[in-house]
Amino acid sequence: QVQLQESGPELVKPSQTLSLTCTVSGASISNVNHYWSWVRQPAGKGLEWIGRIWASDSTNYNPSLNSRVTMSVDTSKNQFSLKLTSVTAADTAVYYCAREISDGNFNPPHSDFWGQGTLVTVSS
Amino acid sequence: DIQMTQSPSSLSASVGDRVTITCRASQGINNHLAWFQQKPGKAPKSLIYSASSLQSGVPSHFSGSGSGTDFTLTISSLQPEDFATYYCQQYNSYPLTFGGGTKVEIK
Repeated sequence: QVQLQESGPELVKPSQTLSLTCTVSGASISNVNHYWSWVRQPAGKGLEWIGRIWASDSTNYNPSLNSRVTMSVDTSKNQFSLKLTSVTAADTAVYYCAREISDGNFNPPHSDFWGQGTLVTVSS
Repeated sequence: DIQMTQSPSSLSASVGDRVTITCRASQGINNHLAWFQQKPGKAPKSLIYSASSLQSGVPSHFSGSGSGTDFTLTISSLQPEDFATYYCQQYNSYPLTFGGGTKVEIK
């Protein structure tokens, strides 16, 4: 069974950088058919796709966050990470990591497994 | 960005009822549409991908249909554990976008 677990600081000060890590078990982060994504959800609101990373260094980011987002992979630890710079209170949310999977038939990947989420609060 | 519009935003239903949730995309997305279930304080759970394919382990009383711009999630006989919020997501083009959610409540 694939499992994902987010970790990182729960409190970040405004203008600083939010850093989260997702540890994957039950699947190899190096698998070419697997994509690794981040989604966030402000309290009481809907879901926002932040972006994905695959093949260790290929990325797609949401243009609404593009200039502030960086994702990376650590294959030795089977982990991937999110960095979001210059945070404000609007970045306060539950952050989820998820696996997206391709069926290999030229269809875009879709998510199947999600982490439990971690609440990050931006406040001084 | 592709806008995903779900309706209704909430509904009340009884155990055993048939429930239908619709999702409309602002432009064609082929069948690249997923449905998720989210319970309070929990992560979304993947239910359906490719508009109509059930994820492994999802009960068969869930079904999805549609292609292009109009999609439907149907719960054929609502069970107590199905009371939750449901989201659609298009993954046809960047950025991936979600509908606003439909909250299914007990009548």
